[in-house]
Amino acid sequence: SAVISQKPSRDICQRGTSLTIQCQVDSQVTMMFWYRQQPGQSLTLIATANQGSEATYESGFVIDKFPISRPNLTFSTLTVSNMSPEDSSIYLCSVERAGFGEQYFGPGTRLTVT
Amino acid sequence: DAKTTQPPSMDCAEGRAANLPCNHSTISGNEYVYWYRQIHSQGPQYIIHGLKNNETNEMASLIITEDRKSSTLILPHATLRDTAVYYCIVRPITGANNLFFGTGTRLTVIP
Repeated sequence: SAVISQKPSRDICQRGTSLTIQCQVDSQVTMMFWYRQQPGQSLTLIATANQGSEATYESGFVIDKFPISRPNLTFSTLTVSNMSPEDSSIYLCSVERAGFGEQYFGPGTRLTVT
Repeated sequence: DAKTTQPPSMDCAEGRAANLPCNHSTISGNEYVYWYRQIHSQGPQYIIHGLKNNETNEMASLIITEDRKSSTLILPHATLRDTAVYYCIVRPITGANNLFFGTGTRLTVIP
């Protein structure tokens, strides 16, 4: 398994501002993912962030709105840009050990945009 | 897109076995069945996965039918801490990164 931490755990932000969420893993992993969970909903994959390559975004998510960095094998950031109330969600990062198929999730960042 | 069907909710008495069903009638030969759960206000937790043989670990057992079109997750002695949303997901073990989380089954363990 892997131990994953996220910062901040929660934040309240004003519309039009940006928030950067950090994800730290206790071991080196190639595959890292960012998910969004809107209130009362299931998880939706935003993008895949593999070290050494550009992030791959899912349909409906764009780099200008959710820029991602992956500077090394233990760390990644997701920025939520120009926020609106519709961006109020829990944002989660996860990692996967190559060849095993299990993903391990961080505790999430609860974002409220006012 | 959802490839699995699960009942929206189930109740289970504390100490009894919880049997959570999942239908995946269109599963491909290279796809595994994964189970995750999400306890309120936490990130999802991996439970178990399997291809065609039954699997057991310290958390649960996974029973997959011979035709692989359905499976059952068994929590042998449910506790109040097992109250969560349980997700059944099918995907290849390699080559596809996305975990598609459907609506899952909300399991409530009753004292």
